[in-house]
Amino acid sequence: AQSVTQLDSQVPVFEEAPVELRCNYSSSVSVYLFWYVQYPNQGLQLLLKYLSGSTLVESINGFEAEFNKSQTSFHLRKPSVHISDTAEYFCAVREVTGGGNKLTFGTGTQLKVEL
Amino acid sequence: DTAVSQTPKYLVTQMGNDKSIKCEQNLGHDTMYWYKQDSKKFLKIMFSYNNKELIINETVPNRFSPKSPDKAHLNLHINSLELGDSAVYFCASSSRAVSYEQYFGPGTRLTVT
Repeated sequence: AQSVTQLDSQVPVFEEAPVELRCNYSSSVSVYLFWYVQYPNQGLQLLLKYLSGSTLVESINGFEAEFNKSQTSFHLRKPSVHISDTAEYFCAVREVTGGGNKLTFGTGTQLKVEL
Repeated sequence: DTAVSQTPKYLVTQMGNDKSIKCEQNLGHDTMYWYKQDSKKFLKIMFSYNNKELIINETVPNRFSPKSPDKAHLNLHINSLELGDSAVYFCASSSRAVSYEQYFGPGTRLTVT
């Protein structure tokens, strides 16, 4: 079984400041890693994913995440946030093989960008 | 052009009632899912269907029964609603070829009074 820990339930940050949202996971098998974003009153959207290869993955809107196998982490970072980045961010894992495509989510981190 | 749609968006009902939530995807995907998001925003998978066959059934009460009439639809029927069923229910879909990428619907907020 897998589990995902997002230690920060809320992260307030000023616009144009850098931000890091932390994600740690636990699994006895190889996993894929994901970050999903949920804007207010909307469904989840895939932000970025790590499947294999380069441990640093990037999204089209400036977010990046780095897979660290030794620390079992997949932290999300952005060097300069915008007010429109205010949303709930969920880290998730999925077994590489088996598991029926089941996504296991963390409890989410509310990113609040202030002027 | 909505990829994954759910109806209704909001559902307010009384304890003991039976209700259904419908989900449709027009992405040509063969796998569909139901997730429950509780008041603390914790997301947990409930069911998954692949080509109308149930492949994931987490420890969900028997009062919840998914039905997949075809690959594009996955409905969720809930009997004898309880206060604890109040949550946002999300439908999602994915294709076998790109199974790691799930597309989510906008959610249905169920309130049981």
